[in-house]
Amino acid sequence: DQQVKQNSPSLSVQEGRISILNCDYTNSMFDYFLWYKKYPAEGPTFLISISSIKDKNEDGRFTVFLNKSAKHLSLHIVPSQPGDSAVYFCAASDNYKLSFGAGTTVTVRA
Amino acid sequence: KAGVTQTPRYLIKTRGQQVTLSCSPISGHRSVSWYQQTPGQGLQFLFEYFSETQRNKGNFPGRFSGRQFSNSRSEMNVSTLELGDSALYLCASSRRTSGNHNEQFFGPGTRLTVL
Repeated sequence: DQQVKQNSPSLSVQEGRISILNCDYTNSMFDYFLWYKKYPAEGPTFLISISSIKDKNEDGRFTVFLNKSAKHLSLHIVPSQPGDSAVYFCAASDNYKLSFGAGTTVTVRA
Repeated sequence: KAGVTQTPRYLIKTRGQQVTLSCSPISGHRSVSWYQQTPGQGLQFLFEYFSETQRNKGNFPGRFSGRQFSNSRSEMNVSTLELGDSALYLCASSRRTSGNHNEQFFGPGTRLTVL
């Protein structure tokens, strides 16, 4: 049972424009959300997180928005750069265990 | 501070064999989790160990097992390998944030190919 869903398997964006990645979850017990970035042949690296008591967290070019009522979060990357081309995983935590989405492959076009 | 290390990085086995993968967490991290990544499936949680005890377990058959040692290093074992076990196996060590949330840091993974 997939509790975290990323419905867009891929996203192509022009360099300099905004990338918006979406994630939906079903478990209302999730209280902490994270985004990871993964390059081929490497493990996922932590990007940004947000607690359920907030609705927005910003770190440089990366902003995560959380809408608890809709059980939806999104990651905005502005401006997108070629080095952002990777697979992005959304994850949610209900204390100890992380549940991951299937990932969205982002391709930034020059 | 050294990151999470996993050995070996690549492994080729045949059906029916068994395999043991190793993970060394970040120094000071006591929790280690294992995940399986296959194309289109994201990261599927296998199990988590904390202080040498399995604390959480995912929905995998009993052929998948693990253990943690007193120095927090962890191993996972897969017995009677099947073709479908071919995947990237990721280990993550965890720390608690100031807000008491679980934050995981991943190793580079072990790519297992079953022929």
